[in-house]
Amino acid sequence: QQQVKQSPQSLIVQKGGISIINCAYENTAFDYFPWYQQFPGKGPALLIAIRPDVSEKKEGRFTISFNKSAKQFSLHIMDSQPGDSATYFCAASSLAQKLVFGQGTRLTINP
Amino acid sequence: DVKVTQSSRYLVKRTGEKVFLECVQDMDHENMFWYRQDPGLGLRLIYFSYDVKMKEKGDIPEGYSVSREKKERFSLILESASTNQTSMYLCASDRGHTEAFFGQGTRLTVV
Repeated sequence: QQQVKQSPQSLIVQKGGISIINCAYENTAFDYFPWYQQFPGKGPALLIAIRPDVSEKKEGRFTISFNKSAKQFSLHIMDSQPGDSATYFCAASSLAQKLVFGQGTRLTINP
Repeated sequence: DVKVTQSSRYLVKRTGEKVFLECVQDMDHENMFWYRQDPGLGLRLIYFSYDVKMKEKGDIPEGYSVSREKKERFSLILESASTNQTSMYLCASDRGHTEAFFGQGTRLTVV
């Protein structure tokens, strides 16, 4: 059973465009929702994270939107740049449940 | 700079061999994890440890075991390697319900 479902599996965006990756979760006890960024040959690294007491968190060009009632959260990358080309993973956890990851999205930003 | 270090970037082993993957963290984290990463499946948890000599099975523990004799070191053991264990293996650590830090990964090929 996939506890966190991520889409799309791959995404191509033109430079300067908006990249949007979506995730849905099942477990209502989840209370920590991070996004990880992974470049080829590297391990994933935390990009941005949100807890469910807020509906949106913004850090530079990266924004998480969180919809608690729909059990969905998404990553928006504004003004996408070629350097943003990477694989992105959403994840979720609670005090009782270790991090569970989505399937990953391979993002390509065309120059 | 915080670090999770995996002993090998690339490994090629023969079917039936016993394989050891080593991971060391320098952040004094209580929790350590082993994931495998496969295209389209995301990161799947194999085992985790929340204290020295303590371990718990993750989602896909079959064919694997772990050892944690010291707080900073967590080893993954493939008792008898099989071709379906060819994958990218990622070690991570965290302080609990917060940011997880990953190593660079070990790409294991079993022939």
